[in-house]
Amino acid sequence: DGGITQSPKYLFRKEGQNVTLSCEQNLNHDAMYWYRQDPGQGLRLIYYSQIVNDFQKGDIAEGYSVSREKKESFPLTVTSAQKNPTAFYLCASSHLGQPQHFGDGTRLSIL
Amino acid sequence: QQPVQSPQAVILREGEDAVINCSSSKALYSVHWYRQKHGEAPVFLMILLKGGEQKGHEKISASFNEKKQQSSLYLTASQLSYSGTYFCGTAPFGNEKLTFGTGTRLTIIP
Repeated sequence: DGGITQSPKYLFRKEGQNVTLSCEQNLNHDAMYWYRQDPGQGLRLIYYSQIVNDFQKGDIAEGYSVSREKKESFPLTVTSAQKNPTAFYLCASSHLGQPQHFGDGTRLSIL
Repeated sequence: QQPVQSPQAVILREGEDAVINCSSSKALYSVHWYRQKHGEAPVFLMILLKGGEQKGHEKISASFNEKKQQSSLYLTASQLSYSGTYFCGTAPFGNEKLTFGTGTRLTIIP
């Protein structure tokens, strides 16, 4: 079955540590997205990519980095510069302009 | 700028109707509607495009008023399974990224 796989489901970060969240899709979608969701809040866009080897900052990109070396993969690194990383992170993919399909999310917490 | 959704939260009895509104300060090309259950990923409901017709399936439908830059989601004869948070996502152009609203929390009680 086609879909989006995010891993891990839960992740803990120590102070000063970088962590990477994985997102893989086998839907052959061109576009991929990373969102952050805080409790009781909406989805805020961190980064998005519409084509391999290209990506753009979203509304809250500071403290995050991404890469898009393969069409299927769009990993997100939460760097130590992100001072408040505790949140629910959602990855999505779509054909351009089409509905987005979401992964099951990664819940990141600070130790 | 983030679209504004109203109401922020609503509680209904099973069988009652609900309307959720989404307003944007920008001209819109498309509006997407999603539902998210607690702790789960958002699930796509429907998309409305500029110049398109009102969409719907089963007891959930939506409209898109381009001039007013707003969309409304209609849930008829609500079921317990309709509970969740509803988000609208808007885009000014066809291939542009979506900007999501803050959500409307819908609770259906027996």
